[in-house]
Amino acid sequence: EAGVAQSPRYKIIEKRQSVAFWCNPISGHATLYWYQQILGQGPKLLIQFQNNGVVDDSQLPKDRFSAERLKGVDSTLKIQPAKLEDSAVYLCASSLGFGSSYEQYFGPGTRLTVT
Amino acid sequence: AQSVTQLDSHVSVSEGTPVLLRCNYSSSYSPSLFWYVQHPNKGLQLLLKYTSAATLVKGINGFEAEFKKSETSFHLTKPSAHMSDAAEYFCVVSYNAGGTSYGKLTFGQGTILTVHP
Repeated sequence: EAGVAQSPRYKIIEKRQSVAFWCNPISGHATLYWYQQILGQGPKLLIQFQNNGVVDDSQLPKDRFSAERLKGVDSTLKIQPAKLEDSAVYLCASSLGFGSSYEQYFGPGTRLTVT
Repeated sequence: AQSVTQLDSHVSVSEGTPVLLRCNYSSSYSPSLFWYVQHPNKGLQLLLKYTSAATLVKGINGFEAEFKKSETSFHLTKPSAHMSDAAEYFCVVSYNAGGTSYGKLTFGQGTILTVHP
């Protein structure tokens, strides 16, 4: 079974530029998550989708971050404009369903450096 | 609100000796608790989970954890460390109540485990 795929793996941009990350979840997984992991901290949930609808985006900085889930499968996370404090690893995860009884499977992450 | 506190940011052990990674949680509702492991340049992997069944939970690679409600703890243990156990470990709590926070994972700060030969 293929895992969660993310691209690119690494990205370096200057502040005020824009960047986009892509995630392809495990086939058949209805729920998709984006997390931000700042160096030295645990991952923090940014947004959660159930199929193509947003369930929770309470911690997404909506003035600069946006996310969509195309046709309930792939998802993109965009930052525009980027700030220095956005430097982090962005993790995508997926699960069969919604709730703690469903295991979340994580991708390898995209490491973003903002200079 | 839910939160987890991992009591040690770094733990160092010798190969073949026991491992203890400590975690305390806070949750207004009956929690689900997890331990995840993150090896360098690899994705997070679930080690084990507690979801209100047996309080002693066995996971992969010889790890286990015990849910102690009276102490609000969920410490991770392994009888004998292996070099391949060197990684960062995260204790995670999740709500079991309803609403939009249902199933939301809240991660601890992480504990880096170093294993010496």
